Amino acid sequence: SAVISQKPSRDICQRGTSLTIQCQVDSQVTMMFWYRQQPGQSLTLIATANQGSEATYESGFVIDKFPISRPNLTFSTLTVSNMSPEDSSIYLCSGGGQGSGTEAFFGQGTRLTVV
Amino acid sequence: KQEVTQIPAALSVPEGENLVLNCSFTDSAIYNLQWFRQDPGKGLTSLLLIQSSQREQTSGRLNASLDKSSGRSTLYIAASQPGDSATYLCAVNTGNQFYFGTGTSLTVIP
Repeated sequence: SAVISQKPSRDICQRGTSLTIQCQVDSQVTMMFWYRQQPGQSLTLIATANQGSEATYESGFVIDKFPISRPNLTFSTLTVSNMSPEDSSIYLCSGGGQGSGTEAFFGQGTRLTVV
Repeated sequence: KQEVTQIPAALSVPEGENLVLNCSFTDSAIYNLQWFRQDPGKGLTSLLLIQSSQREQTSGRLNASLDKSSGRSTLYIAASQPGDSATYLCAVNTGNQFYFGTGTSLTVIP
């Protein structure tokens, strides 16, 4: 399967600042997703990153807070804006195409702590 | 909306035991089901992928089964080892999105 390089792997940020997380895939993928995983919880989908168009956000997540870019089929970024301690989580990007044989694969995750 | 549930939420077993993790989903219209392993603070590592037309997949000491009509999957781990300690997640692929279970936290005691 494809490999996603995600960075940074972790960061400690000040309240009110923004952090941009990058994911680079070693091959073209149809779909990319961004997830948040709060401590002790499962994954919550933030948005589907669409190539060349605006991301599709899930309920409870908005573009102003989590702007996403996907300029091509191998790269995407997620920005966590105007951070507060409640944004402390692991953020994960994922790739996977449509179709029965398509495997989901993940980046290494970004562990974000907001102080 | 698809809902995925995993039972038990946590499991502790002595080394060498065989064990079964369970995953259930509410909508059988899936493309595939995937089992993942997650170590603390890390990303997800894919273990097994079962396509909707398949009944089971095996990799080493791991065997995953799928009963799509009843909305169930199991992950069987044989001869457990301390290195198997992690959280195990199942996810179903509906074609447009992946839905994740709540996870089973496994501890294998030496």
